[in-house]
Amino acid sequence: AQSVTQPDIHITVSEGASLELRCNYSYGATPYLFWYVQSPGQGLQLLLKYFSGDTLVQGIKGFEAEFKRSQSSFNLRKPSVHWSDAAEYFCAVGAEQAGTALIFGKGTTLSVSS
Amino acid sequence: DGGITQSPKYLFRKEGQNVTLSCEQNLNHDAMYWYRQDPGQGLRLIYYSQIVNDFQKGDIAEGYSVSREKKESFPLTVTSAQKNPTAFYLCASSNTQGGTEAFFGQGTRLTVV
Repeated sequence: AQSVTQPDIHITVSEGASLELRCNYSYGATPYLFWYVQSPGQGLQLLLKYFSGDTLVQGIKGFEAEFKRSQSSFNLRKPSVHWSDAAEYFCAVGAEQAGTALIFGKGTTLSVSS
Repeated sequence: DGGITQSPKYLFRKEGQNVTLSCEQNLNHDAMYWYRQDPGQGLRLIYYSQIVNDFQKGDIAEGYSVSREKKESFPLTVTSAQKNPTAFYLCASSNTQGGTEAFFGQGTRLTVV
């Protein structure tokens, strides 16, 4: 069965410092992987996605993620965090079968200190 | 602009009453989904529909019902059988090609008193 684990429930990073949010997945075939961001009381916005090809994926707002098959990981990174990046981040995995729903991790809350 | 509209944003209901949450999309997507979000639990799938007049139960369907009479609409009814209905509900849609991303509405916060 597919599953997603985000080991860190809450992370605090200083403004201007680098960020890495961890995501591990379990899936039998090549996964489709996503990172979403959610501000309080809002819906989810897609940051980036990986389907195939280059394992380093660029997204919006200066985020990137690297797919590592050997580690079953898809970690999200940003070289310099801004206060506006404070939010909740969700990693998700999808299947190749048409119309199947994404499976989400439990999320990581990012706080940014000044 | 294309997107997904959920209404209302906030909903209060008395215990024992059924309540229906609205979800409309104009993205021409075939697939639609309902997720429930609780603090620290991530998003859990309630129901999903790949095509009009067809839908499947997700992981936590008990106490919920849906209909899909139109491509654009996928309303969710929270029934009195749902033991703990207070939560944030998110509707999403996608096309049906494998592995495509889901687009989300802004959510409805349901509080049952």
